[in-house]
Amino acid sequence: EAQVTQNPRYLITVTGKKLTVTCSQNMNHEYMSWYRQDPGLGLRQIYYSMNVEVTDKGDVPEGYKVSRKEKRNFPLILESPSPNQTSLYFCASSPGLAGGFSTDTQYFGPGTRLTVL
Amino acid sequence: KNQVEQSPQSLIILEGKNCTLQCNYTVSPFSNLRWYKQDTGRGPVSLTIMTFSENTKSNGRYTATLDADTKQSSLHITASQLSDSASYICVVSEYSSASKIIFGSGTRLSIRP
Repeated sequence: EAQVTQNPRYLITVTGKKLTVTCSQNMNHEYMSWYRQDPGLGLRQIYYSMNVEVTDKGDVPEGYKVSRKEKRNFPLILESPSPNQTSLYFCASSPGLAGGFSTDTQYFGPGTRLTVL
Repeated sequence: KNQVEQSPQSLIILEGKNCTLQCNYTVSPFSNLRWYKQDTGRGPVSLTIMTFSENTKSNGRYTATLDADTKQSSLHITASQLSDSASYICVVSEYSSASKIIFGSGTRLSIRP
């Protein structure tokens, strides 16, 4: 089944404890992206990747890191989480560029609910 | 500043009734507009996409319209079902080579039996 998977689905942690949220897709998509979703706000893009070893900042990249060593994986790293990073996080992938000129459809993972105490 | 505004924020209707959700945007230059459905606890799923030249796009009981002149879109749901209970998100892409996507905050739709 074509899908985007994220782990963990739920995570409670404390301020300053490094964590990684994994994202994997099995559709051979070039483009992957991370978003956060907060109440009353639309999804906001954190980072995106056009291809292996190519990553770029989205609208809210502060406090986050990503890597794209393999096409299928795009982990999100919080080196020193803070309470304002408590949010619902979504990973997404698409065949090509999402947004801009492209009409490619993004496929979203199930989400990771992160709480930072 | 590019923005996407959706209304209403929430809506409750009876099963079998029709409803229309609204989306106004200021994104310029415009590339395309999507409607997504997001079930509780799940990621968004694309329903429709419309480019500048398209006025209407249907997907089963979902019909989206686009007026690029007034920068407005609507999503009409016909003969609602309990499974239509979800958030509906309007997403507009800016016409550029970058990954410019602006998400609305969504309309929370609840269908009552």
